[in-house]
Amino acid sequence: EPEVTQTPSHQVTQMGQEVILRCVPISNHLYFYWYRQILGQKVEFLVSFYNNEISEKSEIFDDQFSVERPDGSNFTLKIRSTKLEDSAMYFCASSTLGREINEQFFGPGTRLTVL
Amino acid sequence: DQQVKQNSPSLSVQEGRISILNCDYTNSMFDYFLWYKKYPAEGPTFLISISSIKDKNEDGRFTVFLNKSAKHLSLHIVPSQPGDSAVYFCAASKGGAQKLVFGQGTRLTINP
Repeated sequence: EPEVTQTPSHQVTQMGQEVILRCVPISNHLYFYWYRQILGQKVEFLVSFYNNEISEKSEIFDDQFSVERPDGSNFTLKIRSTKLEDSAMYFCASSTLGREINEQFFGPGTRLTVL
Repeated sequence: DQQVKQNSPSLSVQEGRISILNCDYTNSMFDYFLWYKKYPAEGPTFLISISSIKDKNEDGRFTVFLNKSAKHLSLHIVPSQPGDSAVYFCAASKGGAQKLVFGQGTRLTINP
């Protein structure tokens, strides 16, 4: 069964460093998303991406964040200068057109630890 | 932001019995509702969904009920199995590939 994959599974970084989280969405999906879950809190939306541009972003997704689809398979989230409060699980998700457009399929997540 | 609420942080059910998980929402613009199941150190796994034009959707052991007037939905699992033990998230969207807004989750434990 097709699935969303994410790398790395765990990333440890120093405050102020740049990190890139990588995702490979399901191959025929066209809509891509990043969410995050801080320990003990809700899963919260960061950004959605369609047709090579951002469709929507939350107030969390400030100038320190960017997304890119550098080729036909990868979807990346970059945090330019990490802060302690960026420590969280980051989930990539994707969805397709048609009847299942609303059903977002999630990857296993990347645990980001900022020291 | 409390647009989607799951008021029960945990629920314990005997194996073979019915599990009922509840979710309330406040935003009447939500058009589509989903349930996800999550194990530790994994991503949310899609379970079942329902459009606002329906009041019930069934898939095997899982049934979701939607009461639009009460802005309430519930997930029924019958019969409950030990493998159902996980955290269950309710999510809502305005439809059409819009962002999902999640509840806080309910930890379901199925006892043998």
